Amino acid sequence: DAGITQSPRYKITETGRQVTLMCHQTWSHSYMFWYRQDLGHGLRLIYYSAAADITDKGEVPDGYVVSRSKTENFPLTLESATRSQTSVYFCASRDRGEETQYFGPGTRLLVL
Amino acid sequence: KQEVTQIPAALSVPEGENLVLNCSFTDSAIYNLQWFRQDPGKGLTSLLLIQSSQREQTSGRLNASLDKSSGRSTLYIAASQPGDSATYLCAVSAGGTSYGKLTFGQGTILTVHP
Repeated sequence: DAGITQSPRYKITETGRQVTLMCHQTWSHSYMFWYRQDLGHGLRLIYYSAAADITDKGEVPDGYVVSRSKTENFPLTLESATRSQTSVYFCASRDRGEETQYFGPGTRLLVL
Repeated sequence: KQEVTQIPAALSVPEGENLVLNCSFTDSAIYNLQWFRQDPGKGLTSLLLIQSSQREQTSGRLNASLDKSSGRSTLYIAASQPGDSATYLCAVSAGGTSYGKLTFGQGTILTVHP
């Protein structure tokens, strides 16, 4: 039972590059979420998805793009990385009718 | 805009002590409140979920209470152990079209020393 996985776990990139963070869940949960965690701000919602091909903005969506062509995958793309996007990124999922969210292990991203 | 505050930011206690972590939120129109645990370098693990209509939930040595009208929740940990050392986060979920989206507090870093 793999649950929810994220890749890569660690990433170093340069300003201006495109970066894609992957999230995969094996439960076929309807809802998926992307959060970033920063000192002084806690976890903040970037984007969420209620089902395949249905996505919506969260609290801090600027500079990020998401897609969800398959239920189990929810990639997050930084189109042109900036230093302010250095953070730890968490993916989460929740099944329709359930309320507990299940979190992945996180991706630590450093933008130089 | 919902804001969630956790007090204290850090807590260090000797093993065996009972302790209380506090969480407050500004908008009482919540759907539920969840407490999570986060170990260093790891993801979040859900500990307890309290529906807005409930007053408390218990799991083992953990008890969470909710006073929706005053915008407060507490997490009570009985007979603390070194293995309880972690960051504890509370998060509230709004209803309606925001259903399921969580607003988090900044967490309380708990250290239980032998």
